[in-house]
Amino acid sequence: KQEVTQIPAALSVPEGENLVLNCSFTDSAIYNLQWFRQDPGKGLTSLLLIQSSQREQTSGRLNASLDKSSGRSTLYIAASQPGDSATYLCALRGGSEKLVFGKGTKLTVNP
Amino acid sequence: GAGVSQSPSNKVTEKGKDVELRCDPISGHTALYWYRQRLGQGLEFLIYFQGNSAPDKSGLPSDRFSAERTGESVSTLTIQRTQQEDSAVYLCASSLAISNNEQFFGPGTRLTVL
Repeated sequence: KQEVTQIPAALSVPEGENLVLNCSFTDSAIYNLQWFRQDPGKGLTSLLLIQSSQREQTSGRLNASLDKSSGRSTLYIAASQPGDSATYLCALRGGSEKLVFGKGTKLTVNP
Repeated sequence: GAGVSQSPSNKVTEKGKDVELRCDPISGHTALYWYRQRLGQGLEFLIYFQGNSAPDKSGLPSDRFSAERTGESVSTLTIQRTQQEDSAVYLCASSLAISNNEQFFGPGTRLTVL
């Protein structure tokens, strides 16, 4: 059974800092991995999707990497801003059609 | 519409009542998914549709839960004889097709069972 772990559960940084969020998974047989952000009381916003054949994806200040052999993905946020404050979720698709989610990292960027 | 929409946004009901939650996916998306997020928990998969068919119902917590989709569009999730442990945010997502496609989520329905 696939298990997804996100560490740390919460992170607080000053504005402008570069940061890395971590996601690890137990079964390397995945089709893709998706990073989302969730704002309080809102749904999920898709940030980046990495296919199993890819090693990284970039969008603006965000860069996500995937290392299947070690069962890890990282989300790098450059020059963090207060508007980046949210919960970041890692989710992956394995042999079935469902996404398996981690519990998220709650990020606070302080002005 | 531009994104996935869900209704109602909030639902408060009494234990034992039935509830219906609605999801309108992005136009043209053939795949539709239901998840729920209980307080302090990660998202858990409930069911997905490919077209109007539901090949995988394994995530439904009990036989009180059912879902249907019509016209390869709107889907309803029905919970019969609601229990307090059904309280959660129910999220719907859609994607262009099964296999490797990005899932886009709606804002969710917050269900509270008193």
